[in-house]
Amino acid sequence: QKEVEQNSGPLSVPEGAIASLNCTYSDRGSQSFFWYRQYSGKSPELIMSIYSNGDKEDGRFTAQLNKASQYVSLLIRDSQPSDSATYLCAVNAGKSTFGDGTTLTVKP
Amino acid sequence: ETGVTQTPRHLVMGMTNKKSLKCEQHLGHNAMYWYKQSAKKPLELMFVYNFKEQTENNSVPSRFSPECPNSSHLFLHLHTLQPEDSALYLCASSQEGPQSTWSYEQYFGPGTRLTVT
Repeated sequence: QKEVEQNSGPLSVPEGAIASLNCTYSDRGSQSFFWYRQYSGKSPELIMSIYSNGDKEDGRFTAQLNKASQYVSLLIRDSQPSDSATYLCAVNAGKSTFGDGTTLTVKP
Repeated sequence: ETGVTQTPRHLVMGMTNKKSLKCEQHLGHNAMYWYKQSAKKPLELMFVYNFKEQTENNSVPSRFSPECPNSSHLFLHLHTLQPEDSALYLCASSQEGPQSTWSYEQYFGPGTRLTVT
């Protein structure tokens, strides 16, 4: 079992819809959780970090954390074509471990 | 300069060449990382340095040799590479908490696109 698992995708949503990206992790000692966005050929860019259970909102992005279920998700509201990218989940329990990423395509 | 910088941005080298990749972070972080990302593949962690000490080497071939002279600079020395080593090489930095039980977000440099011919 991988330490951090994401839906492999690709995920396709129409413009204006909500995109939901999911991530599960195996180490119950994990304390910090991050979402990165990576455009093709570019480096990952941090978009959200979350440390406690519940929701954290930043603009159109909402990160949700449930430590009991070892689950973290990212919601993108009012999806735009510019949101088309690979989204990486990273989990820390001493060092950050990255998932393989979910590719999102937002269709105009 | 701000954030994490990497040079060169693009590198083409023959299999017998020796070259070095450079990374510099201007964030005051105490940990630095090298990642490899082949085309359409996930990130592969190569090396981790905490407070200039190498804390992780993920079974990386010896033709890749890291060097961390201080907490702001990280190098990756390359020699006798193979065509399958062609990839995007990413440097990142972060602030590690006490006893490495807590880590804050990693910030990535723009990467070096390496082509081995």
